[in-house]
Amino acid sequence: GENVEQHPSTLSVQEGDSAVIKCTYSDSASNYFPWYKQELGKGPQLIIDIRSNVGEKKDQRIAVTLNKTAKHFSLHITETQPEDSAVYFCAATPSKNYQLIWGAGTKLIIKP
Amino acid sequence: GAGVSQTPSNKVTEKGKYVELRCDPISGHTALYWYRQSLGQGPEFLIYFQGTGAADDSGLPNDRFFAVRPEGSVSTLKIQRTERGDSAVYLCASSLIGGGGTGELFFGEGSRLTVL
Repeated sequence: GENVEQHPSTLSVQEGDSAVIKCTYSDSASNYFPWYKQELGKGPQLIIDIRSNVGEKKDQRIAVTLNKTAKHFSLHITETQPEDSAVYFCAATPSKNYQLIWGAGTKLIIKP
Repeated sequence: GAGVSQTPSNKVTEKGKYVELRCDPISGHTALYWYRQSLGQGPEFLIYFQGTGAADDSGLPNDRFFAVRPEGSVSTLKIQRTERGDSAVYLCASSLIGGGGTGELFFGEGSRLTVL
């Protein structure tokens, strides 16, 4: 079955700098790759997603890139702010497209 | 409008007891999902409902776990003979249309279950 690996597990960056989180997946049939942000005590919230027919997508300070050949995708956050501090999860859909397979999460810490 | 509501937010129970966790999805959302999240891990798929029927329950760990959605709205996750290993946050999500690949999942805040 599908397996999603995410790294790093913790990322600490200075406010204003960029942060990059990387994920790899195993099932070449996966076609949808969302990124969720989870704040303490809350449920995950979708921040951006990408489909397999697109290589890059951007939304203000957030961008996601997808390399289907290498089976990896990355989240890029520019000009980081204190409110970006949270746990970020990548996910992928295997052939059963309603069943998201999640990475283990990255705790992002923005240092003032 | 209201988001996904889960009750209780916290449940502490003793090993061997029965537990029910409730999820009230966003009105009009036909798809409903249950996930389980252990500390420091990503959510783990349990079950997916499309309307009233369980379209996929392959993620339920064993027959102690059961979920229903009798009227296609509110769902209840039921756990019998709880074990300490069942301790986790149980997340419910709903989406307007079915398929994690075709619709954003809206999550509730979760029900934290602790089995002593």
